[in-house]
Amino acid sequence: GDSVTQMEGPVTLSEEAFLTINCTYTATGYPSLFWYVQYPGEGLQLLLKATKADDKGSNKGFEATYRKETTSFHLEKGSVQVSDSAVYFCALGMKTSYDKVIFGPGTSLSVIP
Amino acid sequence: NAGVTQTPKFRVLKTGQSMTLLCAQDMNHEYMYWYRQDPGMGLRLIHYSVGEGTTAKGEVPDGYNVSRLKKQNFLLGLESAAPSQTSVYFCASSSGQGGEQYFGPGTRLTVT
Repeated sequence: GDSVTQMEGPVTLSEEAFLTINCTYTATGYPSLFWYVQYPGEGLQLLLKATKADDKGSNKGFEATYRKETTSFHLEKGSVQVSDSAVYFCALGMKTSYDKVIFGPGTSLSVIP
Repeated sequence: NAGVTQTPKFRVLKTGQSMTLLCAQDMNHEYMYWYRQDPGMGLRLIHYSVGEGTTAKGEVPDGYNVSRLKKQNFLLGLESAAPSQTSVYFCASSSGQGGEQYFGPGTRLTVT
């Protein structure tokens, strides 16, 4: 079935370090791909998205490219800040009758000064 | 715009008690969802609705009921709470055009 796999956390980085969070997926058809972020005590919010192969989503210095050949959507940021500490979810958007979204388990990121 | 709001934010129930969680959205979205979030398990879909007056079961519907009497509101009910229902509950909505879902801030429920 359709699924999302993310690298396990928690991930701890020093401020200004480079961030990569790996995400791979299994899906039939051509899903949209999302990264959501959840800050402590809050709900999920969309960070970026890509709707077709080779699309690059970007927001707040984060980037991810839809790679159909490797079924991946890895999240990257060149220089993390303490304020980036959060849980990051990779997700598939399936074109079903109710816009089904399949979420990965989440990767917790802590950035220390 | 308030977006998606949820009430209450926190609740403690005893086993066997009932309660209703309220979700409201002001974006005129057709689709609404209830998820539960448990450590290490990501988000799991409980029930969803594709329009006023419609509801359907998601991945983990047992022990829950829902109603969508008005387009902007989506209610989640627990008729007889069990400790296994201790979780954080999130409501979300979407426009139904294959785009993203918008989430509320969550309700933390503890059943003792």
